[in-house]
Amino acid sequence: DTAVSQTPKYLVTQMGNDKSIKCEQNLGHDTMYWYKQDSKKFLKIMFSYNNKELIINETVPNRFSPKSPDKAHLNLHINSLELGDSAVYFCASSQGASNQPQHFGDGTRLSIL
Amino acid sequence: KQEVTQIPAALSVPEGENLVLNCSFTDSAIYNLQWFRQDPGKGLTSLLLIQSSQREQTSGRLNASLDKSSGRSTLYIAASQPGDSATYLCAEPDNDMRFGAGTRLTVKP
Repeated sequence: DTAVSQTPKYLVTQMGNDKSIKCEQNLGHDTMYWYKQDSKKFLKIMFSYNNKELIINETVPNRFSPKSPDKAHLNLHINSLELGDSAVYFCASSQGASNQPQHFGDGTRLSIL
Repeated sequence: KQEVTQIPAALSVPEGENLVLNCSFTDSAIYNLQWFRQDPGKGLTSLLLIQSSQREQTSGRLNASLDKSSGRSTLYIAASQPGDSATYLCAEPDNDMRFGAGTRLTVKP
């Protein structure tokens, strides 16, 4: 069973569109995250979400919004896509505070035409 | 701004060698440090998480250490195998999960 699953694996779309990436974890974790990995393979955290508390990296544009319908899901919605949004987006989850390891999904490669 | 640096950026070794990957951080208040491996087209796999009180963690052929005073963590891989080829990343969970740029390891058969 996949612990953290993301869909779709690949997403190709045009500039200006709105898209969503889904993430589900079956580990029973209470904290979920979204990361962006740019072309230089550098990973940066975008959001963390725990018990209805959302922590946002201040560098993330407000076109990006996470939505959590329940504890097992944290979906990423992106409005008005731009060329610079092309990257691989990773979802992760952990139980509780930072002294617990995070488990990552396989990533979603987003390409903006 | 707290930084995490990994050296070298790439490393190639013959199979069977022992090797050390380095991670440096500027956050003197670091509490935990986590090591991951990333395979091409895949997410990150957590290898070891070290709490500052532990200083060292071992899992199989992997051993990670944390030295807050020097601002360094090392990941030691014993008897390397071709299956160890991947990019290894260190990160500070308490510093917005700040990652290093990674070390790309190639183990040649």
